[in-house]
Amino acid sequence: GAGVSQSPSNKVTEKGKDVELRCDPISGHTALYWYRQRLGQGLEFLIYFQGNSAPDKSGLPSDRFSAERTGESVSTLTIQRTQQEDSAVYLCASSLEQGKGEQYFGPGTRLTVT
Amino acid sequence: AQSVTQLDSHVSVSEGTPVLLRCNYSSSYSPSLFWYVQHPNKGLQLLLKYTSAATLVKGINGFEAEFKKSETSFHLTKPSAHMSDAAEYFCVVSDTNRNDMRFGAGTRLTVKP
Repeated sequence: GAGVSQSPSNKVTEKGKDVELRCDPISGHTALYWYRQRLGQGLEFLIYFQGNSAPDKSGLPSDRFSAERTGESVSTLTIQRTQQEDSAVYLCASSLEQGKGEQYFGPGTRLTVT
Repeated sequence: AQSVTQLDSHVSVSEGTPVLLRCNYSSSYSPSLFWYVQHPNKGLQLLLKYTSAATLVKGINGFEAEFKKSETSFHLTKPSAHMSDAAEYFCVVSDTNRNDMRFGAGTRLTVKP
């Protein structure tokens, strides 16, 4: 019974470069969420996938951010032309159904933009 | 729109003494409320949740929380702190009919020997 996994665990990149973060949800979980957690702050919702429905992108901070999910499996979060303000921990979570609330979180990817 | 306010950014207690982490929420709908814990370098873990059943909710590791609609509060308590309780705690409000889950800014709990 593996939990949610994320890779890489740490990523250091230069300003202006693109990065891709990966999330493997728990098998059978139809809902998948991405959050951003800046140092000392709470979680900021980014994007949500539910099955084959159109994703809820309302939390993406700019058009440099995008995410994809293939069916009910892996998701990737892409940040283009990274800025120093993008430095944060990016957390992925999955749950069995939309709105049931109990989300299972991965360990996160710590992104540092230099 | 929903929001949640954690009233203390940092709480420090001595081992064996009670813990109180305060949370107030605002919601236009009948909310679901959660507490998550985040240990250093670990993922977020669900402590407990309220979803319109009993107003006193018991969670893991001896924690419990009481939903008080009149006070719009969902404070987290534990009778006796343990060193292993030192972590960051997040209060979360969600509308179960929508994908709208809002996290508080977190409360860092320190437990002194």
